[in-house]
Amino acid sequence: DAGITQSPRHKVTETGTPVTLRCHQTENHRYMYWYRQDPGHGLRLIHYSYGVKDTDKGEVSDGYSVSRSKTEDFLLTLESATSSQTSVYFCAISELVAGRANEQFFGPGTRLTVL
Amino acid sequence: KNEVEQSPQNLTAQEGEFITINCSYSVGISALHWLQQHPGGGIVSLFMLSSGKKKHGRLIATINIQEKHSSLHITASHPRDSAVYICAVLIQGAQKLVFGQGTRLTINP
Repeated sequence: DAGITQSPRHKVTETGTPVTLRCHQTENHRYMYWYRQDPGHGLRLIHYSYGVKDTDKGEVSDGYSVSRSKTEDFLLTLESATSSQTSVYFCAISELVAGRANEQFFGPGTRLTVL
Repeated sequence: KNEVEQSPQNLTAQEGEFITINCSYSVGISALHWLQQHPGGGIVSLFMLSSGKKKHGRLIATINIQEKHSSLHITASHPRDSAVYICAVLIQGAQKLVFGQGTRLTINP
């Protein structure tokens, strides 16, 4: 299994509080991704990173920010959590092969509930 | 309309049956992925392909670039194959995936 962990695995918080989710990898992969998974929507990209301090938005980035200060860690922050951000969050990593992102390896997921 | 469409959304079959899950996409891609997600959440990459066919054990994935269509086949299905199967495409020129909504497969003994 690819060395990718997420913390916390479960979190319950209240509306308006800040929340930070951590993704940690030991594979030294260049690309890291944050997704959310909701019934009826499948997996949707929130933000991704293509290197230290290099990040870009995905299709559902509103209300989220990310940071990547070192290769192994990619943080997802909800500055002020809302109930619509209740979801399961997955981190994934991949590496470039022949100039193209290779298969993605997924973390175990974080179940976030915003009351 | 979603860029990636899977069919069927739900599929129930008996053990031993041959299973086919379909994926159609409407954008230019550089690769297509098939993923598996068991109850409890873990997501595993099954295949990444950009042409032709790949086989791993009882699983076979095919892709037709001209028709923008891929299929995932499972031969001699088993209850442990019960999972959600997700198709995802790597958009041409980008390094990010767009996902289908998944196909929930249930194999009854």
